[in-house]
Amino acid sequence: DIQMTQSPSSLSSSVGDRVTITCRASQNISNYLNWYQQKPGKAPKLLIYTASSLQSGVPSGFSGSGSGTDFTLTISSLQPEDFATYYCQQSYTTPRTFGQGTKVEIK
Amino acid sequence: EVQLVESGGALVQPGGSLSLSCAASAFTFTNYWMHWVRQAPGKGLVWVSRINSDGSSANYADSVKGRFTISRDNAKNTLHLQMNSLRAEDTAVYYCARGRTPDRALDIWGQGTRVTVSS
Repeated sequence: DIQMTQSPSSLSSSVGDRVTITCRASQNISNYLNWYQQKPGKAPKLLIYTASSLQSGVPSGFSGSGSGTDFTLTISSLQPEDFATYYCQQSYTTPRTFGQGTKVEIK
Repeated sequence: EVQLVESGGALVQPGGSLSLSCAASAFTFTNYWMHWVRQAPGKGLVWVSRINSDGSSANYADSVKGRFTISRDNAKNTLHLQMNSLRAEDTAVYYCARGRTPDRALDIWGQGTRVTVSS
């Protein structure tokens, strides 16, 4: 199975900060990497697909980059509604493994 | 509105069985692969299973292989997950999700249904 490792596991930031979350795959997954946002008690929401494509309706402050094994999710200016947990997921092969999540909290 | 609605979650004893359903609406169900993803209390997302568009092929996580069966009824736009030999570690919220092609992202998710395995 492909292991997905996110870092950090949690972070505290202020509104307006630039935030970067990284995700590393245990083997080459090309650009089959997706990012999801989950708020407490809610279903996950797709933010970024194929590493860098912004899902329709997602604010342009979210961006993704990377290919192969190393990927990054960036929030350019953190907004109050962005405080949530973020997950990467590889869709290169089954099982479709997720990272352990990164919780973004208010400083 | 494109929507997935899960049902069937319950409290069940260890060793018991349970069947989950996911009703799809406002999209052409037969065009999409469908997935189940679960989340144990306070934990992260774990992929469980997927089924292809006509129901002829399925894949499972090792943790559920041989115990869970994914299926679909394309005439009723419904996805199912039959769960047998349930264990305490199967306790989770179970989400169904639509798998988009060709990028394979999970672009639509249901609200989840809670399964608790306990005596």
